Amino acid sequence: GDSVTQMEGPVTLSEEAFLTINCTYTATGYPSLFWYVQYPGEGLQLLLKATKADDKGSNKGFEATYRKETTSFHLEKGSVQVSDSAVYFCALSVRSQFYFGTGTSLTVIP
Amino acid sequence: GAVVSQHPSWVICKSGTSVKIECRSLDFQATTMFWYRQFPKQSLMLMATSNEGSKATYEQGVEKDKFLINHASLTLSTLTVTSAHPEDSSFYICSASPSAGLAGMYNEQFFGPGTRLTVL
Repeated sequence: GDSVTQMEGPVTLSEEAFLTINCTYTATGYPSLFWYVQYPGEGLQLLLKATKADDKGSNKGFEATYRKETTSFHLEKGSVQVSDSAVYFCALSVRSQFYFGTGTSLTVIP
Repeated sequence: GAVVSQHPSWVICKSGTSVKIECRSLDFQATTMFWYRQFPKQSLMLMATSNEGSKATYEQGVEKDKFLINHASLTLSTLTVTSAHPEDSSFYICSASPSAGLAGMYNEQFFGPGTRLTVL
């Protein structure tokens, strides 16, 4: 069935370090892929998305490329900040159904 | 655009009482809305899919009589937790999927800020 597998956390990085959070998916059809961010005590905010193979989503310095050949949508940021500390969810949407990964908690220390 | 609101943002109630949570799409029409539950440090668990004008579709293991969902209009869905108990304490999040015709929004859901329910 359709599913998302996300790198388990928690992840702790120093400020200005490089971030990668891995996400792979299984889907029939042509899914759209998303990264959501959840700050403590808040709901989900869309961080970026890609709707077809080879699309690159980007926002606030974060990037992810829709790789059909490896069924992946890894999240990257070149230089993280303390304010990036949050939980990140990878998700796919296909046939109007959403499937979420388990979430990866990121803590950035000064 | 594509903003979803939830009300209330937090609620504390006594065991045995019922609590209603509203989910509104503020600037678009949503034929379909979704209700999720999130336990601390866990992912979202889909509870039910709500379609305007028809009965909600509940996920396996979710009690229909416990979690009443009403999607009375294209911009409003409500979740009522009936006879709430401490184990119902959780973070409830709704999302809305735009009706057909909203360009660029295909296959996308917009999430509300969540409602934290604490049952004493």
